[in-house]
Amino acid sequence: GAGVSQTPSNKVTEKGKYVELRCDPISGHTALYWYRQSLGQGPEFLIYFQGTGAADDSGLPNDRFFAVRPEGSVSTLKIQRTERGDSAVYLCASSPSGRATDTQYFGPGTRLTVL
Amino acid sequence: AQSVSQHNHHVILSEAASLELGCNYSYGGTVNLFWYVQYPGQHLQLLLKYFSGDPLVKGIKGFEAEFIKSKFSFNLRKPSVQWSDTAEYFCAVNGGTNAGKSTFGDGTTLTVKP
Repeated sequence: GAGVSQTPSNKVTEKGKYVELRCDPISGHTALYWYRQSLGQGPEFLIYFQGTGAADDSGLPNDRFFAVRPEGSVSTLKIQRTERGDSAVYLCASSPSGRATDTQYFGPGTRLTVL
Repeated sequence: AQSVSQHNHHVILSEAASLELGCNYSYGGTVNLFWYVQYPGQHLQLLLKYFSGDPLVKGIKGFEAEFIKSKFSFNLRKPSVQWSDTAEYFCAVNGGTNAGKSTFGDGTTLTVKP
């Protein structure tokens, strides 16, 4: 079946601009996660949705970052007033139920470059 | 706060050599431990995971890992590596009330020479 998809695969923007990154999880998966991966580092947790609600947003670095999942499926990560330090690969993952023992299934990521 | 340390940043082996990648974690409660792999040009995918029971866990492609609670370790092993094992390997942990919020190590890049 189809895996997790993310669009766009690459996004280049200028400092100060607004960007939206989209994640389409595996059908039927109730949990969805966003991570950020900088060069040479592992994925860093940003936010986790259970259904439509954000169950844990403790990883969002500041109020420029916001994510939604209005219908419990597709999610959008929104970054306002982008900064060069936001450049990274943004990964999305989904899991069947959100239990801590679940396997998380990752998408290919969106590479964000802020000039 | 939970944390994960992978001491080896880059490992280079010849085919048929044995592999052990270190992973140590810091967390005070019950943990769930994972190894993920990212092959060149592919997504992160699960190799194996431990959450209870036998501390020696077997995963795909001949990989295994042993959970040693007293050492806060979850090292990944494979007795004989192949060129196709060339990839980046990530150890991750979650646990307690942080259901789903996984903390990843910085990864180990494995290069297997044919």
